[in-house]
Amino acid sequence: DAKTTQPTSMDCAEGRAANLPCNHSTISGNEYVYWYRQIHSQGPQYIIHGLKNNETNEMASLIITEDRKSSTLILPHATLRDTAVYYCIVRVATNAGGTSYGKLTFGQGTILTVHP
Amino acid sequence: EADIYQTPRYLVIGTGKKITLECSQTMGHDKMYWYQQDPGMELHLIHYSYGVNSTEKGDLSSESTVSRIRTEHFPLTLESARPSHTSQYLCASSDSMTETQYFGPGTRLLVL
Repeated sequence: DAKTTQPTSMDCAEGRAANLPCNHSTISGNEYVYWYRQIHSQGPQYIIHGLKNNETNEMASLIITEDRKSSTLILPHATLRDTAVYYCIVRVATNAGGTSYGKLTFGQGTILTVHP
Repeated sequence: EADIYQTPRYLVIGTGKKITLECSQTMGHDKMYWYQQDPGMELHLIHYSYGVNSTEKGDLSSESTVSRIRTEHFPLTLESARPSHTSQYLCASSDSMTETQYFGPGTRLLVL
C-alpha cells in the first residue's frame, strides 16, 4: 500500500472548517484513499473514502486532486468533539487476486485540536 | 452504525494467567481483525481472519492466538500473560464488498 504523509498537528476554531491534507504521491490506480479518526484512544472510526471523485457524506467531504497524489479531508463546521487523531490511509479496496486481506496501515496521523 | 463489541473493556491481571479477550460483531462480516496499540502509538495488526476456520498472523508478531469458529466471534487468547502484553487491543470487522473496517471500543489490558 502507498505511503501517506500528514502534518503532525493542526488547530481549528470551533464552527470553522477544518481542512486536513494528506500526500500520497506513490498511490496506484487501484488504491483508494480512506480516512479514519480516533478520539482519545477509543476504537478508530471510519469517516469516508474515495477513489478519484470527490466524496461527501454526513460527516465530511473528501477532495482528491486530479493526479490523485494528494487529498484533503474537510470537516465543514468543526466542533469540540471533532478533536481527534485523523488517519489518511491508502489501500486496495478489493480482494484482487487474493493478495489483499483488508489490512489498514495506520501511520502517526494528524492530531486535530478544535478550540473554542 | 457499527455493531461490534469487545469484552472486557478493562482487565487487570497477574503474570502467568491465561486470558481471553472477546470480540463479537452482528453485521455478518466475513473479515475480522485484531490490532494492538500502545498509548500514543500507532495501531499494529496482529491477527486477521477471512472467515470461519481462517486465521492469519498480522504485521506485528504477537504471542497471542485467535480462533474463528463462528462468523460473528473472533476471540484472542494469551496463554500466559506477561507485563509486556500490557496494551490496548482493538477488534475490527469488514465486509468483502466495501472493505470498510468498523472497530470495537477496545480492551485495555494491564498485566502486573
